[in-house]
Amino acid sequence: KAGVTQTPRYLIKTRGQQVTLSCSPISGHRSVSWYQQTPGQGLQFLFEYFSETQRNKGNFPGRFSGRQFSNSRSEMNVSTLELGDSALYLCASSLGGIGNQPQHFGDGTRLSIL
Amino acid sequence: DAKTTQPNSMESNEEEPVHLPCNHSTISGTDYIHWYRQLPSQGPEYVIHGLTSNVNNRMASLAIAEDRKSSTLILHRATLRDAAVYYCILRENTGTASKLTFGTGTRLQVTL
Repeated sequence: KAGVTQTPRYLIKTRGQQVTLSCSPISGHRSVSWYQQTPGQGLQFLFEYFSETQRNKGNFPGRFSGRQFSNSRSEMNVSTLELGDSALYLCASSLGGIGNQPQHFGDGTRLSIL
Repeated sequence: DAKTTQPNSMESNEEEPVHLPCNHSTISGTDYIHWYRQLPSQGPEYVIHGLTSNVNNRMASLAIAEDRKSSTLILHRATLRDAAVYYCILRENTGTASKLTFGTGTRLQVTL
C-alpha cells in the first residue's frame, strides 16, 4: 500500500515569492492535515481538510492557505514568502479524522527561503 | 488540547527494553493517548494509541496508569533503528478533532 506522497521534496525560493506544495494521501483516506516543523517551534498544525472542506485551522497568518480536491489530494500555498517560512512542511492523512484514528505522515517538503 | 510532559532525552543499550514515560495530569475522560516517533529525515510515524487499557502491537506496548494521569511506551528490545524522537500526544475523541498537538518529545539514543 503506497504511503503519503509529498512533492517536491526540496524547494528553494526567495522572499516575496509564492509556493505551492502537493500531497497525495493514502488511497481511501479522506482527511489531510498539514504541519510546519522548524527547529525553534517544533511541529505545528496548519490546517486540515476533509471532503474538500477546511475543517480545522491552526494559528498561522492568511498567507498560508490550502485546498483539497475531489480525489482527496491536497495542495498548500504560501504567498509573499518570508525568511521565517523556511521549514519542513509535512502532510498527514487519515481515514476520516475521528480523534482516535492514526495519522500517516509523508516525509515532507523542505522549503528554504533565501 | 491537554498538555503532556516528557523527559527531553533518554539513552538505552541495544537489545534492552526501554520505558518512555509521559505525564498527562489534565487528561479528560474522552482523550486518547497517542504515541508517534520521528526518525531522522523522516515524517512522524504512528506507534500506538490507547484509552484506558494497556495496548500491544508489533512495534510497542502502551501501559496506562489506572488514573490515566500518566502512561509509558515500552519498546521491548531496542535496536539502533529505534533511535528517534518520541512524542506522547493527547487526542480528543470528539468527532472531528483531528489535529495533533506535538510537544518537544523525548529523544531516544540507542547505543551498542
